[in-house]
Amino acid sequence: EADIYQTPRYLVIGTGKKITLECSQTMGHDKMYWYQQDPGMELHLIHYSYGVNSTEKGDLSSESTVSRIRTEHFPLTLESARPSHTSQYLCASADGFGDSPLHFGNGTRLTVT
Amino acid sequence: AQKITQTQPGMFVQEKEAVTLDCTYDTSDPSYGLFWYKQPSSGEMIFLIYQGSYDQQNATEGRYSLNFQKARKSANLVISASQLGDSAMYFCAMRSNNNAGNMLTFGGGTRLMVKP
Repeated sequence: EADIYQTPRYLVIGTGKKITLECSQTMGHDKMYWYQQDPGMELHLIHYSYGVNSTEKGDLSSESTVSRIRTEHFPLTLESARPSHTSQYLCASADGFGDSPLHFGNGTRLTVT
Repeated sequence: AQKITQTQPGMFVQEKEAVTLDCTYDTSDPSYGLFWYKQPSSGEMIFLIYQGSYDQQNATEGRYSLNFQKARKSANLVISASQLGDSAMYFCAMRSNNNAGNMLTFGGGTRLMVKP
């Protein structure tokens, strides 16, 4: 039973459209993350948050933006989608202790045509 | 900077046999944690096992065990008695305990295929 939810699961959209990928968790975790992953490749951190009103950019440069207005919600927005944004986007959360794993959502597979 | 290296892009194993997936890491931090995740074709990331840098014993979780060799900076995953459902991508990841964000750095992954 998932405690972290991502919607939509799949999204096909045309170039230039604005999109928001949703991520919500019910575990009360302060820390949340967005990773980008091309098929069969490693995960790259693009955004993270320590808590409400905190957002930071990750190691991989991304044209997306995030917000954290509520603890449980960490949406990712692309103002103008391009084919280079085609990828899988994985949201995760953690309770902040050193030995705690990241809990991942099922991911959103985005295709920009 | 941290770096995780998984040198086996793909591996085959016969059902019911054991298999070792390699992971080496590089960090200058004295305290860190190592994680393994499984990613089936459906795409979700499933946490398997954790090893802390100061843990005296190798971690085990059911059929999964971690062969941790700190001096060699390796943290290999051993899967015993492979099952067809073990076919998936496997990712090694590291977190430095100096890392206030608690984010993980991932390796490139190994695709494991279990043959019946």
